[in-house]
Amino acid sequence: NAGVTQTPKFRVLKTGQSMTLLCAQDMNHEYMYWYRQDPGMGLRLIHYSVGEGTTAKGEVPDGYNVSRLKKQNFLLGLESAAPSQTSVYFCASIMGTARGTQYFGPGTRLLVL
Amino acid sequence: DAKTTQPNSMESNEEEPVHLPCNHSTISGTDYIHWYRQLPSQGPEYVIHGLTSNVNNRMASLAIAEDRKSSTLILHRATLRDAAVYYCILGTGGGADGLTFGKGTHLIIQP
Repeated sequence: NAGVTQTPKFRVLKTGQSMTLLCAQDMNHEYMYWYRQDPGMGLRLIHYSVGEGTTAKGEVPDGYNVSRLKKQNFLLGLESAAPSQTSVYFCASIMGTARGTQYFGPGTRLLVL
Repeated sequence: DAKTTQPNSMESNEEEPVHLPCNHSTISGTDYIHWYRQLPSQGPEYVIHGLTSNVNNRMASLAIAEDRKSSTLILHRATLRDAAVYYCILGTGGGADGLTFGKGTHLIIQP
């Protein structure tokens, strides 16, 4: 049981390049989330999904797209990376109960030059 | 969203108890109080949560004020591995809420 895993762990992009971050969970969780964390700050919600084939916007969705084609995977895409998207990205998942605990991945560090 | 207020940082000695306060004067009747912590270079991890009654688990205790406008996370015997940023968060903990993180309290443990 690996929990929540994220790929890649670290990436450097040039402005305008695109990339996809992969989040995978093996706990059969319904809900999945993408957050970003800037230095010295708390996490902010980018997008989330309440089930396979569904996605919704969070607090800071601009510049990102997501897809949840399979229940266990949640992809975060950057179509045209900008320096403002330099951050650490965390994925999380939860069973779906109202009081459930979120399980977080180890994070992906992204640097956009 | 209901907001929480935490001290920016706290310092404690190893093997002593630590009391981390959180104020949430605008908490609603259905909000749970969640605590997560984030160790350096890691993702957040769940610590404890509660609604009205005090809660205990293997990691910590959560003391909730009778009017629910404040709460305290208690680490009974801090170790160096407890040095982390501790977040006090209100909400259901899942669903469309996601979790709304503030800046948390940076806990420093002195050997």
